[in-house]
Amino acid sequence: GAGVSQSPRYKVAKRGQDVALRCDPISGHVSLFWYQQALGQGPEFLTYFQNEAQLDKSGLPSDRFFAERPEGSVSTLKIQRTQQEDSAVYLCASSPWTGDINQPQHFGDGTRLSIL
Amino acid sequence: GNSVTQMEGPVTLSEEAFLTINCTYTATGYPSLFWYVQYPGEGLQLLLKATKADDKGSNKGFEATYRKETTSFHLEKGSVQVSDSAVYFCANGDIGSEKLVFGKGTKLTVNP
Repeated sequence: GAGVSQSPRYKVAKRGQDVALRCDPISGHVSLFWYQQALGQGPEFLTYFQNEAQLDKSGLPSDRFFAERPEGSVSTLKIQRTQQEDSAVYLCASSPWTGDINQPQHFGDGTRLSIL
Repeated sequence: GNSVTQMEGPVTLSEEAFLTINCTYTATGYPSLFWYVQYPGEGLQLLLKATKADDKGSNKGFEATYRKETTSFHLEKGSVQVSDSAVYFCANGDIGSEKLVFGKGTKLTVNP
């Protein structure tokens, strides 16, 4: 079956522009996560959804970052008024069942965002 | 909050050499521990996991044992192959919080 799909794979934007990154999780997966991975670093948690509910957004670095998952499936991470420090790979992950950290998270290939 | 510290890379080995990548963690409660691997050009994949003290996770010849007394989860493989060249990430996840906390990653290169 299909894995987690993210689009676009690469995004180049000028500073100050808004961007939207899409994540299509594995069908039926309840939990969806966004992580930010800076160059040479490990992924850092941004936000988490259980179905359409955003249960944890403690990792979002500023109010310029916004995520949604309106129908409990596809999710979009939006960054407004982009800054150079937003340049990173944005990873989406999904897992089949909420409430169990032991369920493995399945990661997409990420979107590499470059802000000029 | 939770944190993970793993051995800085890069690590370069010859084929059939023994591999150890150190990982230590801090956490409240009793976290599950994971090793994820990122092969060149691919996404993160779960390599192995352990959910409680003294558990040993294993996969593809890799092993790691959950050591509560030393708060460690070191990754080992007895004989590495060129195809093991990748970046390895140690991570923990706390019960009641589904997010993962990752280390910075260790790049492994295996030469023939």
